[in-house]
Amino acid sequence: LAKTTQPISMDSYEGQEVNITCSHNNIATNDYITWYQQFPSQGPRFIIQGYKTKVTNEVASLFIPADRKSSTLSLPRVSLSDTAVYYCLVGDQAGTALIFGKGTTLSVSS
Amino acid sequence: DAGITQSPRHKVTETGTPVTLRCHQTENHRYMYWYRQDPGHGLRLIHYSYGVKDTDKGEVSDGYSVSRSKTEDFLLTLESATSSQTSVYFCAISAATSGSTDTQYFGPGTRLTVL
Repeated sequence: LAKTTQPISMDSYEGQEVNITCSHNNIATNDYITWYQQFPSQGPRFIIQGYKTKVTNEVASLFIPADRKSSTLSLPRVSLSDTAVYYCLVGDQAGTALIFGKGTTLSVSS
Repeated sequence: DAGITQSPRHKVTETGTPVTLRCHQTENHRYMYWYRQDPGHGLRLIHYSYGVKDTDKGEVSDGYSVSRSKTEDFLLTLESATSSQTSVYFCAISAATSGSTDTQYFGPGTRLTVL
């Protein structure tokens, strides 16, 4: 599984757009990129997954450049409730264990 | 939310005692996982199961054993608890359908304190 690198922490204010970038230089051809969100005292929760270009759902957007060596999770107009740890993972094989790094702690203030 | 429950949710025990944590799912998913989460380490995989009676070790398996006698239950046992096993334990499940990538769904966690 490819290793990922992401910022340890980020700060934002309510209503702003937040972009969290993840580096995965050794991503393999078959790897997908997946982001999880974790609130305090809860288990991680799947946010979004993509392979290339752009993916959007009701929660976030995921931008993946052509070389796929990085990806950016975009959270539009964050609120206080978006304060959480965000994890970027890459992998390809169904049923294999996920390797979580330390994630990015996002703090949203009013 | 996926149907995953963990029991107990909180437990305090003493060093040297055996402890068993239970994960129960109602989704009939094939794969089940046990992670521990500690400050500064993120989540680390302890053991996982890819079917009834089929298990494998993860990154931090020493001191832990698991069993899966039914699809819906995955048990994590600390044979002789140590203070270093004080942690929050999360169970996860995934359908892992052939040809798809793996999305895991996590339980609410068990906070274990070993005194």
